Amino acid sequence: NAGVTQTPKFQVLKTGQSMTLQCAQDMNHEYMSWYRQDPGMGLRLIHYSVGAGITDQGEVPNGYNVSRSTTEDFPLRLLSAAPSQTSVYFCASSQQMNTEAFFGQGTRLTVV
Amino acid sequence: GQQVMQIPQYQHVQEGEDFTTYCNSSTTLSNIQWYKQRPGGHPVFLIQLVKSGEVKKQKRLTFQFGEAKKNSSLHITATQTTDVGTYFCAGPWAGNNRKLIWGLGTSLAVNP
Repeated sequence: NAGVTQTPKFQVLKTGQSMTLQCAQDMNHEYMSWYRQDPGMGLRLIHYSVGAGITDQGEVPNGYNVSRSTTEDFPLRLLSAAPSQTSVYFCASSQQMNTEAFFGQGTRLTVV
Repeated sequence: GQQVMQIPQYQHVQEGEDFTTYCNSSTTLSNIQWYKQRPGGHPVFLIQLVKSGEVKKQKRLTFQFGEAKKNSSLHITATQTTDVGTYFCAGPWAGNNRKLIWGLGTSLAVNP
């Protein structure tokens, strides 16, 4: 059981570069979400999806885009990386929003 | 806006001592979830509480949901070094019930 797979695990970007963080789950979960985790800030929701073709903004969506073309995949795009986006990013999936969430291993992103 | 507060932010204990973290919401929660994150790891689901006044136990861990469903606690009896990590509570956002709002977590350090 792979669960939730995130790639890459580590990434260094230059300011202004764009990139996509990949997230895939094999549990046929409808609900998927992206969080960023910064020291002392806990987990902050960036974007979420309640099913294929449906996405919505979380608490801190600026500078990020998402799409959900399939149930399995929920990529997160950084449009023009900024140092403020240096963080650890987690993808999570669950059957529904208020059921057990399964997290990926995380992506440690540094923007210089 | 809706907030979920967790206290304390940090806790150092000697192995064998008890530990409690508290979670308080500014609004009534339909349910509350608890997660544990080991250093360098990802959050892992521990439990979900749904009913007013509910108490659940997992070995040395005891979880409570307040009568008013606005607060919750996690109590660890006789801590062990394996309990080290950050404990988070999370509850549904009152606005559209499609987002989880997370506490900032309580980081537990256990001295052997």
